Amino acid sequence: GAVVSQHPSWVICKSGTSVKIECRSLDFQATTMFWYRQFPKQSLMLMATSNEGSKATYEQGVEKDKFLINHASLTLSTLTVTSAHPEDSSFYICSAAILREIDEQYFGPGTRLTVT
Amino acid sequence: AQTVTQSQPEMSVQEAETVTLSCTYDTSESDYYLFWYKQPPSRQMILVIRQEAYKQQNATENRFSVNFQKAAKSFSLKISDSQLGDAAMYFCAFLGATNKLIFGTGTLLAVQP
Repeated sequence: GAVVSQHPSWVICKSGTSVKIECRSLDFQATTMFWYRQFPKQSLMLMATSNEGSKATYEQGVEKDKFLINHASLTLSTLTVTSAHPEDSSFYICSAAILREIDEQYFGPGTRLTVT
Repeated sequence: AQTVTQSQPEMSVQEAETVTLSCTYDTSESDYYLFWYKQPPSRQMILVIRQEAYKQQNATENRFSVNFQKAAKSFSLKISDSQLGDAAMYFCAFLGATNKLIFGTGTLLAVQP
């Protein structure tokens, strides 16, 4: 099956700094990538949808200036958490899909962000 | 708006026994997909099984099968011959015209040896 990687798998940063998380589709070209956030013992909440070459579409309640998403190529999307605060600590998961096969989403292994 | 409900926060099953996880959903769409995902302690999301709404036949993948009742908007997952490796969080998910996965709250499955 298709493989999606995320880097880093775990990051600790100080409050007020920014951190970038990468999501890569390793063996296919992903026209669409999704970013999710998961708090402990909770479900996945969609943050935003990004299509290659266009601006991301954010879900209601997600601050687009705080969570910057870039999908510059068909194999890479990045999520930058700007001016991170402890409440941004969470598990971030990306998934990738080919638009015409949107029912097949491939998930990355996730990134654990801890803001101190 | 579509919603997905999993009414069982936790379930437990004895090894080699069968367990059924419940999921209901609400939608006005007629064409959609339903999924069960497994999230083990590693937190990697793993697709267990999928069902296209237009198909009347219930999907089956080895020890995993679903009972899809479209009129009742019910989509339960049956795990037969449960194994220790089946212990995980299981999420039911809906994919409709928005192309966005909507997840239920999850069911934590424990497998007792």
